[in-house]
Amino acid sequence: QKEVEQNSGPLSVPEGAIASLNCTYSDRGSQSFFWYRQYSGKSPELIMFIYSNGDKEDGRFTAQLNKASQYVSLLIRDSQPSDSATYLCAVPPPGSNYQLIWGAGTKLIIKP
Amino acid sequence: DAGVTQSPTHLIKTRGQHVTLRCSPISGHKSVSWYQQVLGQGPQFIFQYYEKEERGRGNFPDRFSARQFPNYSSELNVNALLLGDSALYLCASSLTDQPQHFGDGTRLSIL
Repeated sequence: QKEVEQNSGPLSVPEGAIASLNCTYSDRGSQSFFWYRQYSGKSPELIMFIYSNGDKEDGRFTAQLNKASQYVSLLIRDSQPSDSATYLCAVPPPGSNYQLIWGAGTKLIIKP
Repeated sequence: DAGVTQSPTHLIKTRGQHVTLRCSPISGHKSVSWYQQVLGQGPQFIFQYYEKEERGRGNFPDRFSARQFPNYSSELNVNALLLGDSALYLCASSLTDQPQHFGDGTRLSIL
C-alpha cells in the first residue's frame, strides 16, 4: 500500500460548483497534512495545511481531516477555470517532520 | 519579498556527465530541501539541510550529493548522469521543517 494515495483523475467539475479532492494516508502517527496546487510545467504551490481533526477554511478552500479514518480532503467552493491544476497531498512521516511524502496528485478540470 | 530561486531553469546534459543545481531560500529560512519530480508523479524527497547540516536523505544513490552554504543557499550535485535522472528538480525552503515553499524548479533533460 502506498503511503499517500490520491485518485489520479481527471476530476471534471462545472464552473461555480464545489470540487472535492480526497487523500488517504497509511501511517496513523501522521500529524500534519499539506495541500499543494501544481499547474502544468510549474512547481507546487502551498494552498493549505491542517494539523487538527475537523475543518479549516481559507477563502474558497476548506481542508477536512479525519484521523480515525486516515483521510484528508480539500474542498474548493465556487470553482473557477483558474483552479484547473493538479492537486497534491503531502504528509511528513512520523519522526521525520523535515520531509514530505507525496501522493501522485489529482488532476482537476473546471469546465466553463 | 523574493521567493525561493533556483538556477538554471532548464538544463540539457548527456549520460555520464555531472550537473550542479543551485537554490537560494526565502530570506530568513534556514532549511532547504531537494525533491525530484518525474512526470505524472508526486515529488520524491532527496535531501534536507538545516543550518548547514544534512538532516535527512531519501532513497537516492550516492551519485546525488548536496551541501548548504553559510548564507543558507544550497547546491545539488548529480554525478554520472543516467537517462532516468531526467526530471524536474525542486528546491523548497522553510523556517524550520514545515511548511515548505517551492522554487520554480530546474528541468533537467538527459540525452
